[in-house]
Amino acid sequence: QQQVKQSPQSLIVQKGGISIINCAYENTAFDYFPWYQQFPGKGPALLIAIRPDVSEKKEGRFTISFNKSAKQFSLHIMDSQPGDSATYFCAASLEASGSRLTFGEGTQLTVNP
Amino acid sequence: DTGVSQDPRHKITKRGQNVTFRCDPISEHNRLYWYRQTLGQGPEFLTYFQNEAQLEKSRLLSDRFSAERPKGSFSTLEIQRTEQGDSAMYLCASSLGLGFGYTFGSGTRLTVV
Repeated sequence: QQQVKQSPQSLIVQKGGISIINCAYENTAFDYFPWYQQFPGKGPALLIAIRPDVSEKKEGRFTISFNKSAKQFSLHIMDSQPGDSATYFCAASLEASGSRLTFGEGTQLTVNP
Repeated sequence: DTGVSQDPRHKITKRGQNVTFRCDPISEHNRLYWYRQTLGQGPEFLTYFQNEAQLEKSRLLSDRFSAERPKGSFSTLEIQRTEQGDSAMYLCASSLGLGFGYTFGSGTRLTVV
């Protein structure tokens, strides 16, 4: 059962543009929503995370927007750079159950110079 | 380097053989997680430990899989009688616990031939 759905599967953006990746979740008990960045041959690295009591969180060029009623959240990468080219995963967890993460399928982002 | 260390990085084995992977978490992290990632997919939860106690196992973890974390430090994941479907990246992660994000290792890529 896929509890976190991510789109698009792949995304091509020009340098300086905005990259937007969307996720939808089913389990309303989820209470922690991180985004991970993964480069080939490496493990995922935590980028930014949000909890459902806030609607937006910004860290540098990365912003999470969270819509609790729609059960959706998204990652915005401002001023996208070629070095941002990687696979991005959204995830969700229920901290009371040990914080095990349920990941989306991933988005392959390519930023052209 | 104080990150999560996994060994080996790559393992090629013949079908039916047993394999064991090791994970050394960040030293002060009391939670340790194992995930499996196949090509083009997000990581899938396998099991997690709080200190030396294994608190949850996924239904993905058949009886051919076993994990240990003696003394609450490093962890091992063993797969017995490997099958071609076991070919994947096995990721280990650690965290300080509730309210803290994960740090993933670079993974062990298993190929069963």
